[in-house]
Amino acid sequence: DQQVKQNSPSLSVQEGRISILNCDYTNSMFDYFLWYKKYPAEGPTFLISISSIKDKNEDGRFTVFLNKSAKHLSLHIVPSQPGDSAVYFCAASEDNYGQNFVFGPGTRLSVLP
Amino acid sequence: KAGVTQTPRYLIKTRGQQVTLSCSPISGHRSVSWYQQTPGQGLQFLFEYFSETQRNKGNFPGRFSGRQFSNSRSEMNVSTLELGDSALYLCASSLGTAADTIYFGEGSWLTVV
Repeated sequence: DQQVKQNSPSLSVQEGRISILNCDYTNSMFDYFLWYKKYPAEGPTFLISISSIKDKNEDGRFTVFLNKSAKHLSLHIVPSQPGDSAVYFCAASEDNYGQNFVFGPGTRLSVLP
Repeated sequence: KAGVTQTPRYLIKTRGQQVTLSCSPISGHRSVSWYQQTPGQGLQFLFEYFSETQRNKGNFPGRFSGRQFSNSRSEMNVSTLELGDSALYLCASSLGTAADTIYFGEGSWLTVV
């Protein structure tokens, strides 16, 4: 049973518009979340994180929202750029000293010029 | 500063052989974790080492093992390779504290024939 779900395998967005990538989780013990971007043949690149004490975290064009009651988080990219085209993974862990992250299956974002 | 370095980047092994992959973490990082990425299963946690001790372990058979040295460098070993072990093996490092971000290397592509 997948503990972290990204129900949209792919998403296409026009350049300049907003991209919204969604992630749902089932384990109520998860309280630290990360988003990664991955290009083909490269390792995942860290984008942004959020812990359960916050419901929003912003870093430049990237904003992550967390709704703990719904066990849902989303990554907003505004404005979207062609270079953002990649696979995006969300990852979750229990906020302890173990680096045991559970990853979602990923969403492939295509930003069209 | 230098990122996470993994060697080798690409390798081909025959079924039944064993393989050792190496990972050098970011300087100052004491935690090293390993993940397997396959098209069907996504990114799955193998194990994590902190201060030369295995701190967390995922749901992989005993053929998958690892170790960490005093300089935080880590190796993972897969014995009696099976065709299904063909995957991208990713190493990630972090400080090892709570609510920590993990940073990935480029990965080692293993093909078992």
